Amino acid sequence: EPEVTQTPSHQVTQMGQEVILRCVPISNHLYFYWYRQILGQKVEFLVSFYNNEISEKSEIFDDQFSVERPDGSNFTLKIRSTKLEDSAMYFCASSEGTGARRLHFGNGTRLTVT
Amino acid sequence: QKEVEQNSGPLSVPEGAIASLNCTYSDRVSQSFFWYRQYSGKSPELIMSIYSNGDKEDGRFTAQLNKASQYVSLLIRDSQPSDSATYLCAVRMDDYKLSFGAGTTVTVRA
Repeated sequence: EPEVTQTPSHQVTQMGQEVILRCVPISNHLYFYWYRQILGQKVEFLVSFYNNEISEKSEIFDDQFSVERPDGSNFTLKIRSTKLEDSAMYFCASSEGTGARRLHFGNGTRLTVT
Repeated sequence: QKEVEQNSGPLSVPEGAIASLNCTYSDRVSQSFFWYRQYSGKSPELIMSIYSNGDKEDGRFTAQLNKASQYVSLLIRDSQPSDSATYLCAVRMDDYKLSFGAGTTVTVRA
């Protein structure tokens, strides 16, 4: 079965540094998402992306966050100036469509901010 | 009010028993409902989706939906040790956003 691929699997960074998390969605999917999960807490929606623009974002997704699809295959999440509270598992997901369509999740990137 | 709430658990069941998981949601217009399984340190994995009132069975899993009560449940029959995981209820709030509950951790005792 096709997979969503995320790199790196673990990223350690210092507070205030910029990080870019990378994702390769499933090739025929059109909708892309980022979710995060702080250790021991629930999976939280960050942003959805379609047709080269953000379709919806949560309150968490403030000016420090941005997403980009720089080419036909990659989908990135950038955090401009990381804070300790950004430490979490970040999951990329993609789907063929919206509504009832299944989300396919990547294996996640564990971000640790020190 | 939380968008999606689950019974907090943890839930411990003996091997071969039925595990029953519950979920309520706040948005009456939600139309799509999902159960994901998440092993520790791993990503969520879809195990069931349900869109209409009633029961939907897939192998040892049965999802039940009652839109009038804004209630979704998951039954795991003949529970196996490999079913030990956290089960996440997810509700499609609109075209682009899937909201998750906090999850119920299930432990199946051999």
